[in-house]
Amino acid sequence: KNQVEQSPQSLIILEGKNCTLQCNYTVSPFSNLRWYKQDTGRGPVSLTIMTFSENTKSNGRYTATLDADTKQSSLHITASQLSDSASYICVVSARVRGLIGGSQGNLIFGKGTKLSVKP
Amino acid sequence: EAQVTQNPRYLITVTGKKLTVTCSQNMNHEYMSWYRQDPGLGLRQIYYSMNVEVTDKGDVPEGYKVSRKEKRNFPLILESPSPNQTSLYFCASSFTANSYEQYFGPGTRLTVT
Repeated sequence: KNQVEQSPQSLIILEGKNCTLQCNYTVSPFSNLRWYKQDTGRGPVSLTIMTFSENTKSNGRYTATLDADTKQSSLHITASQLSDSASYICVVSARVRGLIGGSQGNLIFGKGTKLSVKP
Repeated sequence: EAQVTQNPRYLITVTGKKLTVTCSQNMNHEYMSWYRQDPGLGLRQIYYSMNVEVTDKGDVPEGYKVSRKEKRNFPLILESPSPNQTSLYFCASSFTANSYEQYFGPGTRLTVT
């Protein structure tokens, strides 16, 4: 069964510190992996997206890595700010078989890591 | 302004009373999708649509229907709502299923009693 597991479930860090969030997946066939940031009660916002051939991608203070062999990804946040307090969700897209070009559409979400940044 | 709109934002209804949650995007996106979010379970995909008249089941499609008659709209229909469909629902769209930027609506909080 396609699954995405994230760790830790929650994390508390001090402002200015770095942190790393983990994502393991068993989705097959793999299409791409995304990280989202979701503030409480609001829709998620895209941070990064990586395909099979990409192993790192940055977006400001956010850096995502992907190891397609071990099916693991991480999201590293540097110099954390109070506004980084949110849930971070790892999402893997499964390639839909049988469609021309191997189009993908089914997204499998992890349960998220709730990050709290304290002053 | 580029956006995804959902209506209603809040809805309290009773078991068995058919309801529709509308979703509309003004960005000419091909891909649209519905999700539900429950505490401890995260976001789960209900249905998605790759383009007009093309829809497919996500992970939790039971009890829901969708249609994609025109590109901008992707309504979610609950023919006979039950209490286990009480949840926070999000609609989202992107140019294609593989697009980096997926835009989410503001969410619809549904309570079925």
